Order: sequence, then structure tokens, then C-alpha cells
Amino acid sequence: GENVEQHPSTLSVQEGDSAVIKCTYSDSASNYFPWYKQELGKRPQLIIDIRSNVGEKKDQRIAVTLNKTAKHFSLHITETQPEDSAVYFCAARGGSYIPTFGRGTSLIVHP
Amino acid sequence: GAGVSQSPSNKVTEKGKDVELRCDPISGHTALYWYRQRLGQGLEFLIYFQGNSAPDKSGLPSDRFSAERTGESVSTLTIQRTQQEDSAVYLCASSLASNSEAFFGQGTRLTVV
Repeated sequence: GENVEQHPSTLSVQEGDSAVIKCTYSDSASNYFPWYKQELGKRPQLIIDIRSNVGEKKDQRIAVTLNKTAKHFSLHITETQPEDSAVYFCAARGGSYIPTFGRGTSLIVHP
Repeated sequence: GAGVSQSPSNKVTEKGKDVELRCDPISGHTALYWYRQRLGQGLEFLIYFQGNSAPDKSGLPSDRFSAERTGESVSTLTIQRTQQEDSAVYLCASSLASNSEAFFGQGTRLTVV
């Protein structure tokens, strides 16, 4: 089955800095890669996703890149703000239609 | 419209008791997933329902765990003879189709004492 590795497990940045979270996946059939943000005690919420037919997608301060050949994808957050502090999960989904999640990255943005 | 709803929000049970967790997906969503999230950990897949197809139970950790879904409506996850290691947040998610965005419920926090 699919295996998703996510790094780093914890990321601490100063407000205004950029943050990058990286994930790798094992199943070359995976074709959909969502990113979820989970604030403390709340449900995971989709913030951005990318499909395998594109290499990059942006939404304001958030961008995701995908390298199918290397089987890795990354989340980029620019101009970080304290409200970006949360746990971020990457996921990969392929032919089984079951999203497999990484272990999460705890992002801390210091004011 | 209403999102994915789970009940109860919190459940404390004694070791050895059975528990039943409920998930109401978004109306019209054909796909439904259950995940388990232990404290500080990632999302562990449990079971997947898609329409009237046979569910994918490959993530269920033991035969104490079972789940049902009637058509494209409510799903229940049952844990029999609960153990302390079952303590976790159980998250349900639904999506319009198997290749669509998944929306999560707020979860049920299960504590086995």
C-alpha cells in the first residue's frame, strides 16, 4: 500500500518568514495530494490540493509543488502569521481512493 | 449546509465495555472514511465506504472493530471490549465522490479508563 513520509515533525519560524513542509510517497499510482491544517482541538481542514497533471498550485500565501518523478511534494507558506500555527498533514491518494496521511508537522509561528 | 457531524463529541468508557460512534456525512456524499488519531499522531486509516460497494476494511486493527453504513447515509463504528490503547480521537470524513475532496467531522474523543 501507500506510504507517506512527512518532514519536519516540528517547524518553528518567526512571523514573516517562509515555511516549507516536505512529503514523499511510495505509490507511483497516486494522483491526488491534499494538504490539511488542524488547529488544536479542531477538525482537519483542506487548505490546498494538487493533482498529478500539474506541477505547482498557488493560493495567496500558500503554494504546493509536486515532483512526480521523485515522488515528493511540498507545502510552502510565505509571510507566515501567528494564525498559521497549527499541525499540517499531507496526504496521497491513488487507485484505492483512500487518502494516506503523513504523520503531521507542527508549525509554530512566533510573533 | 451542514458539514460532517459526529456523535458523541466525547466518550469515556470502562475497559471491556462496547462503544458505538456515529457519523452523519454531508448529504449526497457517496464516500465515507473513518480514521483514528492518537494523541500527537497522524491519521490512521480504519475503513472506507463507497456507495453500495463492499467496504474496504483493510485498516481495522483487530476484530474488535467493525463499522456499518446503510446506503449513503449514517455510519456507525463499533469497538467491542474496549482496551486502553483504543483511546484516541476517531474522525469521520465524507466526499462527494471517491476522487473528490474529503471533509472531516469534528471527531469523537474516546477515553478508555
